Amino acid sequence: GENVEQHPSTLSVQEGDSAVIKCTYSDSASNYFPWYKQELGKGPQLIIDIRSNVGEKKDQRIAVTLNKTAKHFSLHITETQPEDSAVYFCAASSTAGGSYIPTFGRGTSLIVHP
Amino acid sequence: DAGVIQSPRHEVTEMGQEVTLRCKPISGHDYLFWYRQTMMRGLELLIYFNNNVPIDDSGMPEDRFSAKMPNASFSTLKIQPSEPRDSAVYFCASSEQGLNTEAFFGQGTRLTVV
Repeated sequence: GENVEQHPSTLSVQEGDSAVIKCTYSDSASNYFPWYKQELGKGPQLIIDIRSNVGEKKDQRIAVTLNKTAKHFSLHITETQPEDSAVYFCAASSTAGGSYIPTFGRGTSLIVHP
Repeated sequence: DAGVIQSPRHEVTEMGQEVTLRCKPISGHDYLFWYRQTMMRGLELLIYFNNNVPIDDSGMPEDRFSAKMPNASFSTLKIQPSEPRDSAVYFCASSEQGLNTEAFFGQGTRLTVV
């Protein structure tokens, strides 16, 4: 099955700095890579996703890059703000018996210091 | 729409008792997922339904766990008998088009089995 590794587990930055979270996956058949943000006491919420037919996608201060050859994808947050503090999860969806079962990374706790 | 609604938000029960977690998906969403989140194992997919039919329950840890979806607006996850190692946050999520699209998560049920 799919294996998703996520690094770092904790990331501390100053407000205004950039933050980068990296994930690798094992199943070359994976073709959907969402990123979720989980705030304290809440469920994960999708912030951006990318499919394997594109290499990069941007949405304001957030961008995701995908390298299918190397099987890794990254989340980039620019001009970080205190409200960006949360746990971020990457995921990869791969075929398993014909259905796409998403596998999540272990999460990155991002702390943005004012 | 109010989003995915889960109840209860918190549940404390004694080992051996039956626990029932409830979920109301977003209206019009054909897919419903049950996840479990722990520090040790991260976010795990337990089971998912399509049009009220269970499609994949390979993530259900043991026979003590069961899930039902009697209609399009309601699902339950039952643990009987419960054990301390079942303590976790259980999330329900729904999506319009399946696993390879955005999943909308509820706020979760924090289960503590003592």
